[in-house]
Amino acid sequence: AQKITQTQPGMFVQEKEAVTLDCTYDTSDPSYGLFWYKQPSSGEMIFLIYQGSYDQQNATEGRYSLNFQKARKSANLVISASQLGDSAMYFCAMREGLPGNNRKLIWGLGTSLAVNP
Amino acid sequence: GAGVSQSPRYKVAKRGQDVALRCDPISGHVSLFWYQQALGQGPEFLTYFQNEAQLDKSGLPSDRFFAERPEGSVSTLKIQRTQQEDSAVYLCASSLLWRGSSGANVLTFGAGSRLTVL
Repeated sequence: AQKITQTQPGMFVQEKEAVTLDCTYDTSDPSYGLFWYKQPSSGEMIFLIYQGSYDQQNATEGRYSLNFQKARKSANLVISASQLGDSAMYFCAMREGLPGNNRKLIWGLGTSLAVNP
Repeated sequence: GAGVSQSPRYKVAKRGQDVALRCDPISGHVSLFWYQQALGQGPEFLTYFQNEAQLDKSGLPSDRFFAERPEGSVSTLKIQRTQQEDSAVYLCASSLLWRGSSGANVLTFGAGSRLTVL
């Protein structure tokens, strides 16, 4: 079974509008962390936002916010006021267990976002 | 350097050739990961180093894959007798040593090395 599911292979959004990218996860570990990364065509993964399983509030970083619904095991990324430069692949990833230096990430298949002018 | 540097950016190899992919992490970053990203997929963990010690190599797909980080900085991923299924982007990521003061240990990724095996 997939541990990270991103059900939207591709999304379109009009410039300046908000968009939500879906991510559901599956783990039996009470401690985990959820990450969103952006991968533009240049290839590098760029960290966007992080949510820990024990965090009481939804994470926010500038135009990015994470809609964390623990009971539903979802961690959707919301991008407000989309910009043309937001066009990229977006990956949701999970760290199982407490934070640590050797914690590998488990990744979804990604969502391709295209921002239209 | 300012970021994680990987070379070569692109490598075409004939089946059966050996290849070596280099990763130069951010100076001072103790942790180093290698991931493999096949076309249309998310990255898959290969191996983890803390300084020069390879603490986890559970993701290496076969004994043809070998990674080293002899002086705790630059790392090399070597693939022997390449096969077509080895075609992928190989991503290197590094991070500071996490000391328990915050929940995330954020990885900084390089741009990857795209390997095509013919």
